Amino acid sequence: GAVVSQHPSRVICKSGTSVKIECRSLDFQATTMFWYRQFPKQSLMLMATSNEGSKATYEQGVEKDKFLINHASLTLSTLTVTSAHPEDSSFYICSVSSLGRTGYNEQFFGPGTRLTVL
Amino acid sequence: SQQGEEDPQALSIQEGENATMNCSYKTSINNLQWYRQNSGRGLVHLILIRSNEREKHSGRLRVTLDTSKKSSSLLITASRAADTASYFCATDASGYSTLTFGKGTMLLVSP
Repeated sequence: GAVVSQHPSRVICKSGTSVKIECRSLDFQATTMFWYRQFPKQSLMLMATSNEGSKATYEQGVEKDKFLINHASLTLSTLTVTSAHPEDSSFYICSVSSLGRTGYNEQFFGPGTRLTVL
Repeated sequence: SQQGEEDPQALSIQEGENATMNCSYKTSINNLQWYRQNSGRGLVHLILIRSNEREKHSGRLRVTLDTSKKSSSLLITASRAADTASYFCATDASGYSTLTFGKGTMLLVSP
């Protein structure tokens, strides 16, 4: 499967600051990446689909001006949480679909980023 | 809304026992997938079963799919302490659409 990395793995920031999370596909070019959010002991909630070279597609209820996504290359997508507040504290996970590689829509996930906003 | 609903929400067993988790969904699918998540980590893909398949095996994993009942089960045989994790089912409506994850089952395997 694909190898996906995320950086940082953990970040603590003050309320009002912006935080950038990187997601990298290390061993194949991904035109599409996904960003999820997960609260403790809950399921994954899809936030947006990141498309290389074009605008991200956001799920209903996700503020695009709050969660900025940039997919500048085939191996890198970034999620920036702007003006973070304590309610943005969560586990953010990215994934890459193997659809373009295997023909099957399996997803390969990064290790996640734990964001804590004080 | 969540597409998949797993049950039980939590399962506690002893090493060597089998663990069965169930997933129900609401709309038609192209395929259903099972993922595993260790605490505080990303998800790992376990197995994909297509809508025209009824059963699939991978090592100690056995997945069944009943499209008439819109349900799937994941069986882990001869469980080990290392199988302790949360398990999620995810549905794919078209084969190239986004995945919708269920709420997950937390499995605890005691030595």
